[in-house]
Amino acid sequence: DGGITQSPKYLFRKEGQNVTLSCEQNLNHDAMYWYRQDPGQGLRLIYYSQIVNDFQKGDIAEGYSVSREKKESFPLTVTSAQKNPTAFYLCASSSVYNEQFFGPGTRLTVL
Amino acid sequence: AQSVAQPEDQVNVAEGNPLTVKCTYSVSGNPYLFWYVQYPNRGLQFLLKYITGDNLVKGSYGFEAEFNKSQTSFHLKKPSALVSDSALYFCAVRDEVDTPLVFGKGTRLSVIA
Repeated sequence: DGGITQSPKYLFRKEGQNVTLSCEQNLNHDAMYWYRQDPGQGLRLIYYSQIVNDFQKGDIAEGYSVSREKKESFPLTVTSAQKNPTAFYLCASSSVYNEQFFGPGTRLTVL
Repeated sequence: AQSVAQPEDQVNVAEGNPLTVKCTYSVSGNPYLFWYVQYPNRGLQFLLKYITGDNLVKGSYGFEAEFNKSQTSFHLKKPSALVSDSALYFCAVRDEVDTPLVFGKGTRLSVIA
């Protein structure tokens, strides 16, 4: 999966709990992205960052938060405000105007 | 706003036959178009892209795609399907501005031996 790592592979969350998904890339890409994948709905953009210390909301940002303190890292926190967080989460990165490279994904399940 | 439509949820094809997975798009400017493939419980793998130039784009694993500006389409094709091509395929688009890709809902390809 091309220099992007996501951890953990599987994550379980209890009601009312915040959890953080890790995404690291060693491709020297400026831009990083978080998508959520649900069956039959394709990929929906949660947040993206085109430069360190800056990020923008995507289509479904409510209940999620991110930070971009380092170029290599773009962690996603799923907060207790996200009422239906069970999904497959995909992180991606890209250089300017080029294709996005994806990590292997994290499957989050609410218990 | 940019959008992508993949009109078929499922495509079935016999091994050795040609395959086509359809994609149409809508953007305000010139399109940047992409195809990705996803195997179960994995991330997306890049197959090919159209930025400018020849309308027929060749990519990984023998796949190709044809850009048709008048029909706003970017259909994925392969002359001879393999069972190992069975997977979920996504079309994606963005305009000339460096914005995130917008993805279609995906088409599940099943190649039957």
